[in-house]
Amino acid sequence: RKEVEQDPGPFNVPEGATVAFNCTYSNSASQSFFWYRQDCRKEPKLLMSVYSSGNEDGRFTAQLNRASQYISLLIRDSKLSDSATYLCVVIALDYKLSFGAGTTVTVRA
Amino acid sequence: GAGVSQTPSNKVTEKGKYVELRCDPISGHTALYWYRQSLGQGPEFLIYFQGTGAADDSGLPNDRFFAVRPEGSVSTLKIQRTERGDSAVYLCASSLMSGDNEQFFGPGTRLTVL
Repeated sequence: RKEVEQDPGPFNVPEGATVAFNCTYSNSASQSFFWYRQDCRKEPKLLMSVYSSGNEDGRFTAQLNRASQYISLLIRDSKLSDSATYLCVVIALDYKLSFGAGTTVTVRA
Repeated sequence: GAGVSQTPSNKVTEKGKYVELRCDPISGHTALYWYRQSLGQGPEFLIYFQGTGAADDSGLPNDRFFAVRPEGSVSTLKIQRTERGDSAVYLCASSLMSGDNEQFFGPGTRLTVL
């Protein structure tokens, strides 16, 4: 079983729509959680950290459910520029990032 | 300031050859990481350096892979006797210190083994 699993998508949504997706992780000792964004043929970039209480950054909302071991990302009012692959990242030790395979989101005009 | 840089951006080699991939981390970052990303997958951890020493090389797939960071800055990932299965994007990341959760990634080196 993979350490971090994501629905690969793709999620094809119109501009202005809301899109949400989850990832699950297997290691209950995981300490830190993140969403990274990766554009085609580019490097991953940190989108946001995920806190136990849930957190928002503009149009992006992240939630963590430790009991069920999943993390979610919700994007409101989707923009064309939100089209990317979103990577769920979990840290069990304090440096080793474990990545999911990514969820592809395509926002169409 | 400058981000993480990696050279070359693309490398095509033949099966059995030796390759070196270089990473220049962000100045002042003590922690450096190598990851490998295959098509359709997320990056997979290879090795982590804290300063000059490899603190964790548990992700290196086999003994054909080796990495060094002799002066605690630039790192080189070395692959001997390359195989077609080594084809992937090799990503380097750095962070200010160990335990600093934000790792900044370089653009990667796309390695193709023919």
